[in-house]
Amino acid sequence: GQQLNQSPQSMFIQEGEDVSMNCTSSSIFNTWLWYKQDPGEGPVLLIALYKAGELTSNGRLTAQFGITRKDSFLNISASIPSDVGIYFCAGQGSGGSNYKLTFGKGTLLTVNP
Amino acid sequence: NAGVTQTPKFRILKIGQSMTLQCTQDMNHNYMYWYRQDPGMGLKLIYYSVGAGITDKGEVPNGYNVSRSTTEDFPLRLELAAPSQTSVYFCASSSLSWKSEKLFFGSGTQLSVL
Repeated sequence: GQQLNQSPQSMFIQEGEDVSMNCTSSSIFNTWLWYKQDPGEGPVLLIALYKAGELTSNGRLTAQFGITRKDSFLNISASIPSDVGIYFCAGQGSGGSNYKLTFGKGTLLTVNP
Repeated sequence: NAGVTQTPKFRILKIGQSMTLQCTQDMNHNYMYWYRQDPGMGLKLIYYSVGAGITDKGEVPNGYNVSRSTTEDFPLRLELAAPSQTSVYFCASSSLSWKSEKLFFGSGTQLSVL
């Protein structure tokens, strides 16, 4: 099946710093999604990307759909303590089962006030 | 707006016991999913359903069963609990549209099998 490599596995940063994380795939995806999971909660969708090269922002978050369709990036600017959580990328491929997502293993973000 | 509701929040089982994890959604979504989340491993799809009466296996279905008798409910059944099933379980749903990848997740059930 399709696999996603998400990096880094974890990050420990100071409040105010910018953060970057990325996902790469062994195969092409038609959609890239970024989710955030707060402790004790389910993941919540942050940004959805639908076209190669697309750059989309949601407040301090910016995500890009890689031009090769095999990667995606998420940047968080000026981090704040409430950014703490696990960030997951997810990809949706082509074919008959196109409603099923493949998830990365997550990036654990810790923000030191 | 309740969204996706899972019960219970926590459960401890003994090896060999059975239980049902409940999931209900009030958004009239056709698609529903069960995932398990193990530390550092992301989300693995157990079972999914594209509508009432239709279910199919995901990546890791062994040891689980599901049913979908109504649009709203998608319970997950563990018949003979094993320590390998210790995990956090998430139910999710999405609508039948071209952007159906927008999953809405419940808050999870933390299960320990001892």
